[in-house]
Amino acid sequence: EAGVTQFPSHSVIEKGQTVTLRCDPISGHDNLYWYRRVMGKEIKFLLHFVKESKQDESGMPNNRFLAERTGGTYSTLKVQPAELEDSGVYFCASSILAVQETQYFGPGTRLLVL
Amino acid sequence: DQQVKQNSPSLSVQEGRISILNCDYTNSMFDYFLWYKKYPAEGPTFLISISSIKDKNEDGRFTVFLNKSAKHLSLHIVPSQPGDSAVYFCAASFVPIPSTSGTYKYIFGTGTRLKVLA
Repeated sequence: EAGVTQFPSHSVIEKGQTVTLRCDPISGHDNLYWYRRVMGKEIKFLLHFVKESKQDESGMPNNRFLAERTGGTYSTLKVQPAELEDSGVYFCASSILAVQETQYFGPGTRLLVL
Repeated sequence: DQQVKQNSPSLSVQEGRISILNCDYTNSMFDYFLWYKKYPAEGPTFLISISSIKDKNEDGRFTVFLNKSAKHLSLHIVPSQPGDSAVYFCAASFVPIPSTSGTYKYIFGTGTRLKVLA
């Protein structure tokens, strides 16, 4: 069974540009989460989808971040315009509806904003 | 303000010996705790969890202990193996009410890098 996949693995962009990160959860996982780890700090929750609906987006830093999950399958996280402080590793995780407490993480996208 | 703290950024242990990784938390309302292991360039991998109604959970070489009065969590690895070398994150969550909806928002520590020496 394929795990959570994320694309791209790395992205280097300039301040002010737009970047879109993609996450494909494990097949059949209705729960999808985005987390972020800024350099050397803890991994922080951004938001949670149940199927295509946003269940909790309390961790989104500001309105430059937009997450979508059309059709309840893959999700995208767009940062527009990117700022220097957005640099970090963006992780996606998924879990089945009945066992939300165990989340399976993808390898992450390393974003560097110059 | 960090609610989950891993005060040891790194730990070195000889192969075959016990590794003890520690984690402290500040919010007594947390009711679910987990340990994740992370290798370079990979995402965190679930290792073991414990509910606040228990004080110990064991899975093979891995045992997690929870001391609620001290707000302290620890992970014991016995015996330690070179393949255990990784960064270990502890995480805490509130169980949402009802548990079938709501969000398990993990709150992570900053990680402890374990190196098991052969």
